[in-house]
Amino acid sequence: GIQVEQSPPDLILQEGANSTLRCNFSDSVNNLQWFHQNPWGQLINLFYIPSGTKQNGRLSATTVATERYSLLYISSSQTTDSGVYFCAVSTWETSGSRLTFGEGTQLTVNP
Amino acid sequence: DAGITQSPRHKVTETGTPVTLRCHQTENHRYMYWYRQDPGHGLRLIHYSYGVKDTDKGEVSDGYSVSRSKTEDFLLTLESATSSQTSVYFCAIRKTGGGETQYFGPGTRLLVL
Repeated sequence: GIQVEQSPPDLILQEGANSTLRCNFSDSVNNLQWFHQNPWGQLINLFYIPSGTKQNGRLSATTVATERYSLLYISSSQTTDSGVYFCAVSTWETSGSRLTFGEGTQLTVNP
Repeated sequence: DAGITQSPRHKVTETGTPVTLRCHQTENHRYMYWYRQDPGHGLRLIHYSYGVKDTDKGEVSDGYSVSRSKTEDFLLTLESATSSQTSVYFCAIRKTGGGETQYFGPGTRLLVL
């Protein structure tokens, strides 16, 4: 099956700093999503981005499908950005739009 | 918020007992999913459903069964719970407007002693 690798595994920032999280995948995808899991365990959908670039406030994401990677940018980070960020993908061969998740990037934003 | 609830939210049980977790949605989405989350593994798909009485296995389906008799409810059953099934279980639905995006319920913490 498809492999999903996220980097870095851990990231510690001071409030106000910018960061870039990376997701590499091993096959062509028809679906790529970024999620944020907050410290209370809730999974929040950030972006559906199988290709191209999207922005939502301080967050933006870019997927370069031909090179099999996606980047999540967080600008002017806030303590509420802390948590785990997951990338998840599915492929054209995967029935039911089943998602394969990476292991996540643990982000800690200190005040 | 995609109108997904899970019950119970927390459960402690003993090895060998049956356990059923419930996922309920209010928006009539066709696709529903069960995942488990464990440290070092991210989320892994257990089973999913693509309609009433239509289900299929995911990557970690051994020891689990599912049922979907109504569009709004997707049940996950551990026939005989084992300590390796201690985990956090998430239900998800798939929305198809503007892309095929999955939205997750709040999760159920299960501890098998």
